[in-house]
Amino acid sequence: GENVEQHPSTLSVQEGDSAVIKCTYSDSASNYFPWYKQELGKRPQLIIDIRSNVGEKKDQRIAVTLNKTAKHFSLHITETQPEDSAVYFCAALYNAGNMLTFGGGTRLMVKP
Amino acid sequence: NAGVTQTPKFQVLKTGQSMTLQCAQDMNHNSMYWYRQDPGMGLRLIYYSASEGTTDKGEVPNGYNVSRLNKREFSLRLESAAPSQTSVYFCASSEIRGETEAFFGQGTRLTVV
Repeated sequence: GENVEQHPSTLSVQEGDSAVIKCTYSDSASNYFPWYKQELGKRPQLIIDIRSNVGEKKDQRIAVTLNKTAKHFSLHITETQPEDSAVYFCAALYNAGNMLTFGGGTRLMVKP
Repeated sequence: NAGVTQTPKFQVLKTGQSMTLQCAQDMNHNSMYWYRQDPGMGLRLIYYSASEGTTDKGEVPNGYNVSRLNKREFSLRLESAAPSQTSVYFCASSEIRGETEAFFGQGTRLTVV
């Protein structure tokens, strides 16, 4: 099956700095890579996603890049704000679209 | 529009007891999922239902059973609870398999003592 590794497990940045979270996946057939944000005690919510035919996608302060050859993808958050503090999960879709495998999560702390 | 609704929100079980977690979605989604989330770990797929009438095992199915009752409802059953099943359980749904956004329920915090 698919294996998704996510790094770092914790990340602390100063407000206004950038944050980068990286994920690698094992199944070259994976074709969809979403990112979810989970605030404390809340449910995970999609913040951005990318499909395998695209190398980069941006949405305001958030961007995701995908390197299919190296089988890794990254989340970039610019101009971080305290409300960005949360756990972020990457995921990869495989098995003909039936299974979404999540990384272990990154706890991002943005210090004011 | 409630989205994905799970019941109960909290539950404490004794080892060996059984229970069913209920999940319902009102978005007319075809696919539904059950995940468990343990501290320091990501979401791990227990079972999924790609469409009404079908169910399949995920990464960690042992000790669980599921029923896709109809298009709206997907339940998770623990036949004989064990302390290792202490976790937060999330139900989710998506329109088309996993290729579109998955919407999560609010979670069920289950403790097995």
